[in-house]
Amino acid sequence: EPEVTQTPSHQVTQMGQEVILRCVPISNHLYFYWYRQILGQKVEFLVSFYNNEISEKSEIFDDQFSVERPDGSNFTLKIRSTKLEDSAMYFCASSERLAAGQYFGPGTRLTVT
Amino acid sequence: TQLLEQSPQFLSIQEGENLTVYCNSSSVFSSLQWYRQEPGEGPVLLVTVVTGGEVKKLKRLTFQFGDARKDSSLHITAAQPGDTGLYLCAGESSGNQFYFGTGTSLTVIP
Repeated sequence: EPEVTQTPSHQVTQMGQEVILRCVPISNHLYFYWYRQILGQKVEFLVSFYNNEISEKSEIFDDQFSVERPDGSNFTLKIRSTKLEDSAMYFCASSERLAAGQYFGPGTRLTVT
Repeated sequence: TQLLEQSPQFLSIQEGENLTVYCNSSSVFSSLQWYRQEPGEGPVLLVTVVTGGEVKKLKRLTFQFGDARKDSSLHITAAQPGDTGLYLCAGESSGNQFYFGTGTSLTVIP
């Protein structure tokens, strides 16, 4: 069964460093998403992406964040200058169409020290 | 920010009992999804409901979307220990933005 994959599974970085989190969505899906989940808290929407551009972004998704689909398979989230409060689990998700439900990857645990 | 409140937050029941989890908001959503999440893993999609009043069944799980598309419920019949987990609802705004609920942690005791 097709699945969303994410790499790395765990990333440790120092405050101020740039990180790139990578995702490979399900191949025939057209809508892509990034979420974060701080330990013990709820899943928070960051951004949705369709047709090679951002559809929606939340207040969390400020200028430090960017997304890119550099080729036909990868979908990346870049955090330019990480802060301690960026430590969280980051999930990528994809869906075939609107209102179809999303398929989540296993997540990348980002630890900023 | 559109809030989705889930209740109860925690639920512990005996195997074989029935239960209902609620997901409520003051906002209207174009669709609503239910997920189950295990610790350290990504949410797994259970169902999507789109039409007000819609009812969907998935084996022993019954999902309902409120008539006004502001709330939803998940009913589990004859709960089993394998149903133990964190259940999340997520509402989709008209602009392809999603809001997750606070979650209901279910424990089914054998």
